[in-house]
Amino acid sequence: GENVEQHPSTLSVQEGDSAVIKCTYSDSASNYFPWYKQELGKRPQLIIDIRSNVGEKKDQRIAVTLNKTAKHFSLHITETQPEDSAVYFCAASISGGYQKVTFGIGTKLQVIP
Amino acid sequence: GAGVSQSPSNKVTEKGKDVELRCDPISGHTALYWYRQSLGQGLEFLIYFQGNSAPDKSGLPSDRFSAERTGGSVSTLTIQRTQQEDSAVYLCASSLRGGGLRETQYFGPGTRLLVL
Repeated sequence: GENVEQHPSTLSVQEGDSAVIKCTYSDSASNYFPWYKQELGKRPQLIIDIRSNVGEKKDQRIAVTLNKTAKHFSLHITETQPEDSAVYFCAASISGGYQKVTFGIGTKLQVIP
Repeated sequence: GAGVSQSPSNKVTEKGKDVELRCDPISGHTALYWYRQSLGQGLEFLIYFQGNSAPDKSGLPSDRFSAERTGGSVSTLTIQRTQQEDSAVYLCASSLRGGGLRETQYFGPGTRLLVL
């Protein structure tokens, strides 16, 4: 089955700096890559996603890049703010009769004011 | 409209007891997922429902775990003879169809299970 590896497991940045979280996946059939943000004590929520026919997608301060050849994708957060502090999960989905999502282990991001 | 709800929000039980966790998905969502999240860990897939059937049960850790879904809506995750290692947050998520390329999963608030 699919295996998603995510790193780093923890990341501390100064407010205003950029943060990058990287993930790799194993199954070349994966074609949908969502990112979820989980604030402390809250449920995960989708923040951005990318499909395999697109190399990059941006939404304000958040961007995701995808390299299908290398089977890796990354989340970029620019001009980080304290409210960006959370655990971020990458995921990969294999299209088929249903969408089973495999999650990475998560990255705990701390933005230091 | 209402989001995914789960009950109870917290459950403390003694080792060896059975527990039932409930998930109410968003109305009209045919796909429903159960995940387990241990402290400081990622999201561990348990089981997926499409309607009332479960095409993928591969994540259930042992035969002590079972789940059902009735009426294409409410789902119950049952853990029999609970063990301390079952302690975790159990998250439920639903999505509209589950078969498309871009299907956002909406998560419930989770049930925090503690087995003493």
